[in-house]
Amino acid sequence: NAGVTQTPKFQVLKTGQSMTLQCAQDMNHEYMSWYRQDPGMGLRLIHYSVGAGITDQGEVPNGYNVSRSTTEDFPLRLLSAAPSQTSVYFCASSFSDSGGTEAFFGQGTRLTVV
Amino acid sequence: GESVGLHLPTLSVQEGDNSIINCAYSNSASDYFIWYKQESGKGPQFIIDIRSNMDKRQGQRVTVLLNKTVKHLSLQIAATQPGDSAVYFCAENIRDQFYFGTGTSLTVIP
Repeated sequence: NAGVTQTPKFQVLKTGQSMTLQCAQDMNHEYMSWYRQDPGMGLRLIHYSVGAGITDQGEVPNGYNVSRSTTEDFPLRLLSAAPSQTSVYFCASSFSDSGGTEAFFGQGTRLTVV
Repeated sequence: GESVGLHLPTLSVQEGDNSIINCAYSNSASDYFIWYKQESGKGPQFIIDIRSNMDKRQGQRVTVLLNKTVKHLSLQIAATQPGDSAVYFCAENIRDQFYFGTGTSLTVIP
């Protein structure tokens, strides 16, 4: 089973460039989310989706867009990359948005903005 | 934002000993908590969860204790093994969002 797959694993961007981080899950999970992980700050929620066609903002949404056209895919778009967006990004999925079920994380995308 | 903190950023234990990792949370509306393990270069891995209507939950070699009076959560690992070396995060669920602590780095000494 693939679980949650993130691509790419590593990326270097120049300030102002845009890019899309891909996330796909094959577990038919309704709930998907994106986090960023910075040293000493744990994981912070960027955006999340409770189902196809539905997205919402998390704790740190500025500078990021998401869409959920299918149950399987939840891409994260950086519109104009900034050095402050240098981080490790994790995508996660679970059956439920209200807890009580296991949440699965991808392996992460390490992004550097120069 | 919500505050989920850990008492100790690092913890070293001898192989075979029990480990206890603590976590404090600040929002009494939190109704669900999860402990995650993250090994270097990997994504967080679910360990165990607990709902706010429970005080204790046990898994394989792990136990989570929840004290709602003092808003404290702990993860106990029995007979700690070298493979348990990792960073451990607690997370609380509030209104469909998870808030993570900064993590405790556990090192198991052979």
